[in-house]
Amino acid sequence: GESVGLHLPTLSVQEGDNSIINCAYSNSASDYFIWYKQESGKGPQFIIDIRSNMDKRQGQRVTVLLNKTVKHLSLQIAATQPGDSAVYFCAEIVMDSSYKLIFGSGTRLLVRP
Amino acid sequence: GAVVSQHPSRVICKSGTSVKIECRSLDFQATTMFWYRQFPKQSLMLMATSNEGSKATYEQGVEKDKFLINHASLTLSTLTVTSAHPEDSSFYICSASGGTGNTIYFGEGSWLTVV
Repeated sequence: GESVGLHLPTLSVQEGDNSIINCAYSNSASDYFIWYKQESGKGPQFIIDIRSNMDKRQGQRVTVLLNKTVKHLSLQIAATQPGDSAVYFCAEIVMDSSYKLIFGSGTRLLVRP
Repeated sequence: GAVVSQHPSRVICKSGTSVKIECRSLDFQATTMFWYRQFPKQSLMLMATSNEGSKATYEQGVEKDKFLINHASLTLSTLTVTSAHPEDSSFYICSASGGTGNTIYFGEGSWLTVV
């Protein structure tokens, strides 16, 4: 597989604070990006997506920023809650012979009460 | 909303046997399905992409004779781990693309333990 995932970095935040999770992607031709949340033992859940013709997109309590110049994505979670504790992955759609969804390495978010 | 179902959610098999995992799209037609493997504390590694009615496209390093993928209909793809070994123990996750806007939906994953 193309995704590289060794040991997950951890971000620890106080409940109520804002969280920022970062991701670097590799393929400059990618034009669609998705953030997923994965709780222990479960499949990934869609959080928010963004296309390459945008640099910012907002959802409920979440904002995704895209910087194509440096191939960087970030996910901002406002007023982080205990239920936000999970592993967060960015993923990019890569066009090869067909399209495929490639995951980044992930970040574990721990919310302290 | 759209749901992707995987079965079984957990399976234990003996070393040397084969085990099949099913991935179904419940209320939409999935033209493309993806199979991932995830080891503890790691990311999802794409194993293969399957399109209905055609052979799966495997990622580099994934043995196609060991991980057999069949996408026989627009609602079902199967992954068969043949001659399983303990190192094949992992969390296997499928996703399906289809429906409105070609959205990608994920299953809940299948835990495979080979003893």
